[in-house]
Amino acid sequence: GQSLEQPSEVTAVEGAIVQINCTYQTSGFYGLSWYQQHDGGAPTFLSYNALDGLEETGRFSSFLSRSDSYGYLLLQELQMKDSASYFCAVNRDDKIIFGKGTRLHILP
Amino acid sequence: DAGVTQSPTHLIKTRGQQVTLRCSPKSGHDTVSWYQQALGQGPQFIFQYYEEEERQRGNFPDRFSGHQFPNYSSELNVNALLLGDSALYLCASSLEGRGEKLFFGSGTQLSVL
Repeated sequence: GQSLEQPSEVTAVEGAIVQINCTYQTSGFYGLSWYQQHDGGAPTFLSYNALDGLEETGRFSSFLSRSDSYGYLLLQELQMKDSASYFCAVNRDDKIIFGKGTRLHILP
Repeated sequence: DAGVTQSPTHLIKTRGQQVTLRCSPKSGHDTVSWYQQALGQGPQFIFQYYEEEERQRGNFPDRFSGHQFPNYSSELNVNALLLGDSALYLCASSLEGRGEKLFFGSGTQLSVL
C-alpha cells in the first residue's frame, strides 16, 4: 500500500522558518507535491518535486530525497496568513494520494 | 478564467437516500478527480475521469459512481447514503499528463442524518 506520514501539528513564531516533514512508504511514484488548505477553503497547490533536490518558489521551498523516502516543505519569513493545514501528496499511476496533513499554528 | 466550480455548496440528506454532486473543471482542463475529506483528515481519492472514462479508482465501494461529460464536467453519485458518508467532497481538475498539479473546487459539504 501507500502511506505518507506527516506530523499532525507544528507551531512556529511569526517571521521564523518552519520545516514540515513527509515520509512515505510507496515506490514508483512520479513526484511529491505540497498543498495548503485554510479552514473552510479548498486545497491549493504549492510545490512539486519530480526529481531529488530543492525547489524554491518565493517564501516556500520543497525538498525530495527518493533514496531516503523523505521530503519536506520549508516556509520562510512566516506570516500569520500561513496558518493553515499542509498536505504532502504523491502522484502514482494517475492517483494523487494525500497525507493526513500538518496543522501549522503561528504565534505572533 | 473560471476556476473549478462545484455545486451545491452544502447538502443535507438522510440515510438511504441518493445524492449527485456536480463539478465544472478549470477552463482547458480535461481530467477530473474526486476526493472525500473528513474533518481533520487529508483528501481521500475516490476516482479520476479522463475522456469520459473512469481511469483510476480508490478504495471506495460501488455505491460511489461518477460520470464525465463531453465538455469535461463531471458528476459524483452516491447511493444508499450512510452516516459515514458525511464529509467534504472535493473536485479537482488537471491537464492529462500534468497530474501533479491539481486545481480544487471549494467542495460540497454533505451531511447525512
